[in-house]
Amino acid sequence: EVQLVESGGGLIQPGGSLRLSCAASGFIVSNNYMSWVRQAPGKGLEWVSVIYSGGGTYYADSVKGRFTISRDSSKNTLYLQMNSLGVEDTAVYYCARDSSGPAYWGQGTLVTVSS
Amino acid sequence: DIQMTQSPSSLSASVGDRVTITCRASQAIRNDLGWYQQKPGKAPKRLIYAASSLQSGVPSRFSGSGSGTEFTLTITNLQPEDFAIYYCLQHNSYPLTFGPGTKVDIK
Repeated sequence: EVQLVESGGGLIQPGGSLRLSCAASGFIVSNNYMSWVRQAPGKGLEWVSVIYSGGGTYYADSVKGRFTISRDSSKNTLYLQMNSLGVEDTAVYYCARDSSGPAYWGQGTLVTVSS
Repeated sequence: DIQMTQSPSSLSASVGDRVTITCRASQAIRNDLGWYQQKPGKAPKRLIYAASSLQSGVPSRFSGSGSGTEFTLTITNLQPEDFAIYYCLQHNSYPLTFGPGTKVDIK
């Protein structure tokens, strides 16, 4: 059974950094495209980033240069390193396994950027 | 970037009704479109992929159609558990883009 469990969210001050983790089970992360999607409070869904099975990455313009997606094959875990956080990054962050688009989603982790 | 629009933004319907939601892409995306359902406080759940393929485990009252730039999600015989927000997503090219959502609530 495919399972994705995000962690690492919390309250962080503007300008700070945070690393989100997404522990996967039931499949091999490095064999799949994996995405991060976020949702600001009361707003719609925003795609953030993808890491391809070959290791290439792509980012939304809103996070390019500040966020880095990566994975650890030994831990079967996906990461999102978030730097220079602003209040506009406040959201629930979901990881997803892609198969013709995000197919399987975790439960999400809340990141709140506030002073 | 490909822009996605949805209509209507919200609708009220009764149990047993047939509901249709439309999604339009700013450029042709073949059939690279999915439909997602989201309930309050929950992660989105994919209902349809490749515009018209039903995700495993999803009831057959959900169906999708379309290709190119115009797509529809139809829910026949609306059930109480179907009241939610529905999003379309294009995965034809990066960045992936979602529609703004359609809220389906109880009349």
